[in-house]
Amino acid sequence: AQKITQTQPGMFVQEKEAVTLDCTYDTSDQSYGLFWYKQPSSGEMIFLIYQGSYDEQNATEGRYSLNFQKARKSANLVISASQLGDSAMYFCAMTHERSNDYKLSFGAGTTVTVRA
Amino acid sequence: DSGVTQTPKHLITATGQRVTLRCSPRSGDLSVYWYQQSLDQGLQFLIQYYNGEERAKGNILERFSAQQFPDLHSELNLSSLELGDSALYFCASSVAPDSYGYTFGSGTRLTVV
Repeated sequence: AQKITQTQPGMFVQEKEAVTLDCTYDTSDQSYGLFWYKQPSSGEMIFLIYQGSYDEQNATEGRYSLNFQKARKSANLVISASQLGDSAMYFCAMTHERSNDYKLSFGAGTTVTVRA
Repeated sequence: DSGVTQTPKHLITATGQRVTLRCSPRSGDLSVYWYQQSLDQGLQFLIQYYNGEERAKGNILERFSAQQFPDLHSELNLSSLELGDSALYFCASSVAPDSYGYTFGSGTRLTVV
């Protein structure tokens, strides 16, 4: 069974600073995908970034980067130059890419509050 | 607009009632997933349909059922509702997991009173 652990329930960050959100995972699969989603207070789930287990380079999408350490089974999200609009809940998620079973397992989430 | 349409956005109903949540996937997506987000359980996968057929089942109660129709829209039926069923229900769609991830709808917030 897969398990995603996000140990930081909440974090405060100063505007324009970088913040790292921790995510560790547990799986026996060789092929899997790691995702980060943002959920603002309005409730929608917004895709941020994806990392495949066989990708050798860390994924980046604008101000978001994923620090993938496969041996440690960690997939931390780094948000650079934080903005007030980054205040939201952030979820780490995982899928194992076998057959057509692509369901996501989510962590408990980390609430980020950006201070002006 | 993500391209995944969920209706209704909000639903308030009494215990013991039955409701139907509807999801229209993004154009071209064959897979539909249902997720439940509650305060105590977090985000939980419920069920997946692929091109009209049930593909995977998660923590879905027997009181809940779903189906995907030939036009690929999906419905999640929740019956004999209990207070604990109050949650945000998400539908997501995908062709296959790729670098863009799933596309989630905006969710249906169900309140059981």
